[in-house]
Amino acid sequence: DIQMTQSPVSLSASVGDRVTITCRASQSITMFLNWYQQKPGKAPKLLIFAASALQRGVPSRFSGAGSGTDFSLTITSLQPEDFATYYCQQTYRMLWSFGQGTKVEIK
Amino acid sequence: EVQLVESGGGLVQPGGSLRLSCAASGLTLSNYEMNWVRQAPGKGLEWISYIGASGDNGIYYADSVKGRFTISRDNAKNSLYLQMNSLRADDTAVYYCATDSKRANWNYFEYWGQGVLVTVSS
Repeated sequence: DIQMTQSPVSLSASVGDRVTITCRASQSITMFLNWYQQKPGKAPKLLIFAASALQRGVPSRFSGAGSGTDFSLTITSLQPEDFATYYCQQTYRMLWSFGQGTKVEIK
Repeated sequence: EVQLVESGGGLVQPGGSLRLSCAASGLTLSNYEMNWVRQAPGKGLEWISYIGASGDNGIYYADSVKGRFTISRDNAKNSLYLQMNSLRADDTAVYYCATDSKRANWNYFEYWGQGVLVTVSS
């Protein structure tokens, strides 16, 4: 099975900051990497698929990069509505798997 | 508007059973592969099961539920199901259904239900 490891587990940032979250796969997953945002009490929301493709309706301050085993999600100019938990997910090979999540908190 | 609505959750004793349903509207479920994902209180997302679009072209389970949970679907009713048997305390979680959408070669969980809480406790 493919293990996904995110870092950091949590971070504190201010509105306007640039934030980067990393995700590492236990083996190459080429670009089969998705990113989700989840707010408390809500279902996850797809932000990025195929490592760097922005889902329709997602603001352009979100971007994804990487291939193989190392990936990143960057939020340029953090907005108040971006404080949430972010998850990476691999869909390269069954069984699908998520990272443990990164909580972005207000500094 | 696409909606996925889960139901069937609740409180159940250890060793008991529950059947979750996921009713879809605004989309034709037979066009989608489907998944169940759960989230224990205060924890992260855990993928637990997948079913192919026709129901007989691929079924997978996470090791944590294999042999105890059964995924199924009724495309005529636009519905997805999860039969959960031999429930344990660590199955306590919010359970989400999610579409396994595809664009070109890529697949991702595009539409999600609101989630349904399952609590396993005596």
